Amino acid sequence: EAQVTQNPRYLITVTGKKLTVTCSQNMNHEYMSWYRQDPGLGLRQIYYSMNVEVTDKGDVPEGYKVSRKEKRNFPLILESPSPNQTSLYFCAYIRDATGGLSNQPQHFGDGTRLSIL
Amino acid sequence: RKEVEQDPGPFNVPEGATVAFNCTYSNSASQSFFWYRQDCRKEPKLLMSVYSSGNEDGRFTAQLNRASQYISLLIRDSKLSDSATYLCVVNLPGSGGGADGLTFGKGTHLIIQP
Repeated sequence: EAQVTQNPRYLITVTGKKLTVTCSQNMNHEYMSWYRQDPGLGLRQIYYSMNVEVTDKGDVPEGYKVSRKEKRNFPLILESPSPNQTSLYFCAYIRDATGGLSNQPQHFGDGTRLSIL
Repeated sequence: RKEVEQDPGPFNVPEGATVAFNCTYSNSASQSFFWYRQDCRKEPKLLMSVYSSGNEDGRFTAQLNRASQYISLLIRDSKLSDSATYLCVVNLPGSGGGADGLTFGKGTHLIIQP
């Protein structure tokens, strides 16, 4: 069972209307990240965070913002959503970063399906 | 740019058969390898890590061939419930968890038929 909770799970909205997808965990995971998954393109990382107040861009950060004001929450913000941001979004975390982040698998939340009309 | 390549399939396999598929990677410095399973409209779930000496978990065997730069997944005695998309993931050392080091394959679609 996923140790992160994403909300909402489904959302249909319109172009330009700001939205936030939340990702919450209570397992004290330091590393969290956001992905989008699109047919034919696979999983692509949007942003990631190594710890509180530490965030970095992934492969496709344009049009997105994140914040990490506290360890438990890592919201994904779409200030002005556009139809090309229609996608399936996953929040991910690493359970145990000891030994180096690059040696650890990521684990995913249940996903949020966004449709921007 | 680093790449991870998988045959998208679909692989249609009769129940009980053995099926294997590969994933090739382009960066020889890659150090960590994983197989994930993803059911339709669900999140990817870690199936198994891939170790240098190869490893087995029940009906699943993962192998790494560094010389030819590929990892493989073999499923024995396949079940209907094995139908899913299988993603391979390759990590570069010292990448710090960012996208520059972590690459997901696009997945291989497996269908087990009764």
